[in-house]
Amino acid sequence: DAGITQSPRYKITETGRQVTLMCHQTWSHSYMFWYRQDLGHGLRLIYYSAAADITDKGEVPDGYVVSRSKTENFPLTLESATRSQTSVYFCASSGGRIGNSPLHFGNGTRLTVT
Amino acid sequence: AQTVTQSQPEMSVQEAETVTLSCTYDTSESDYYLFWYKQPPSRQMILVIRQEAYKQQNATENRFSVNFQKAAKSFSLKISDSQLGDAAMYFCAYRYTNAGKSTFGDGTTLTVKP
Repeated sequence: DAGITQSPRYKITETGRQVTLMCHQTWSHSYMFWYRQDLGHGLRLIYYSAAADITDKGEVPDGYVVSRSKTENFPLTLESATRSQTSVYFCASSGGRIGNSPLHFGNGTRLTVT
Repeated sequence: AQTVTQSQPEMSVQEAETVTLSCTYDTSESDYYLFWYKQPPSRQMILVIRQEAYKQQNATENRFSVNFQKAAKSFSLKISDSQLGDAAMYFCAYRYTNAGKSTFGDGTTLTVKP
């Protein structure tokens, strides 16, 4: 089915471990984004990508790494997870005319770092 | 940097009544887009309505409408004939025309009382 999918939906990991959150979209949207959602902070942008092989930092990029070798995939890696990275992570994409296009969100990944 | 402020962390409304959620933003740009997204308990982010800054006419989508005051940098969401299914967290978002990323407010949790 067309859409944007994130995996896993839930993840528990230990402090110091590397963990990768996956995001795949089938619309061929040029833009993709990673947000984290914490209580009291709404959604904060971690990284975004305008096209394959083009990525840029958002508001809270420290401790995260992204790549985009293919248009449809935009994985987010926590190189050494910390408790402060416990959050719900949303991947989103948008296409068409830049500003006018809404974001299409995945269902989110709830990550717990113990 | 653009900022989006939602000054009402929580709101409640009686079923079938009308409620207005507030949003203000700060930008030096003249051409941009504004959005309201809904996040029900399922965690899925859903587009509710969008507004182009160059349009003076307020956007409307069925029971949802906005009051867009560009000079005041205000973008409120009015929900008419509230239904139980409207209970959710609502996020206001700003997107500059020529930029990929969106900035979100911290959200307003809406409760609908039967």
